[in-house]
Amino acid sequence: GDSVTQMEGPVTLSEEAFLTINCTYTATGYPSLFWYVQYPGEGLQLLLKATKADDKGSNKGFEATYRKETTSFHLEKGSVQVSDSAVYFCALGAGNNRKLIWGLGTSLAVNP
Amino acid sequence: DSGVTQTPKHLITATGQRVTLRCSPRSGDLSVYWYQQSLDQGLQFLIQYYNGEERAKGNILERFSAQQFPDLHSELNLSSLELGDSALYFCASSVALGLAVEPQYFGPGTRLTVL
Repeated sequence: GDSVTQMEGPVTLSEEAFLTINCTYTATGYPSLFWYVQYPGEGLQLLLKATKADDKGSNKGFEATYRKETTSFHLEKGSVQVSDSAVYFCALGAGNNRKLIWGLGTSLAVNP
Repeated sequence: DSGVTQTPKHLITATGQRVTLRCSPRSGDLSVYWYQQSLDQGLQFLIQYYNGEERAKGNILERFSAQQFPDLHSELNLSSLELGDSALYFCASSVALGLAVEPQYFGPGTRLTVL
C-alpha cells in the first residue's frame, strides 16, 4: 500500500544552518505530496505542496521538489531560524478516498 | 488561524467515561477528518466525513464514533475511555472530493487526559 518514510529526528541545528529533512514515498499512480509543520502547542499547518512530478513547492523559505524518479520530496531551507523549531510532517495524498498518508514527523530544534 | 475550530481545548476525565469532541470546519469545506496524536503512535487518521456521510475509516476503535451534521460541524464520541486514549485529537477540513487531493486545514486540537 501507499506509505511515507521520513528521516528520524530529532534534528538539531544552529541558527543559519542548512536544513534537509528527507521524505520518500511509495504509491501507485500519481500522488500529491505535502509538507506540514506543527509548532509547539499548536495544530498542523500546511507548509507547501506539489501535485505533479518536477513541481517545486515553496513557502517561508522552505522548498521541496517532487522527484518521481527517486520517489522523494525532501524539505530544504537555506538558513534556519530559531522560530523554525517545530515538528515537520511529510504526507502523501492518493487513492479514491483522497485521504492523506502521513509520515511519523521529524522534530527540528534550532539553537541560537 | 486555519478557520477550523475545535472545542473544548482541554478535557480531563476518568476511565470508563464518555466524552464528545466538537469541530467546525472552515467555511465552505465539506470534508472533515479526525486524527489522534500521541507520543507513542504519532499522527493516526481516525475517520473522514464528506457532506454528512462517512467516506473513509482509519484506525478508529469500536468505542469511538463520529458524525457530521447538516450544518457540516462534526462530533467525535469517545466512550469507555481508557488511560491509553489520552492524546491530542485534531479535526481537519478540506474543500471537497475533487480530482486532486486538496490540502487539509487543521484545528488547534483537543487535549484529552484520562485519569
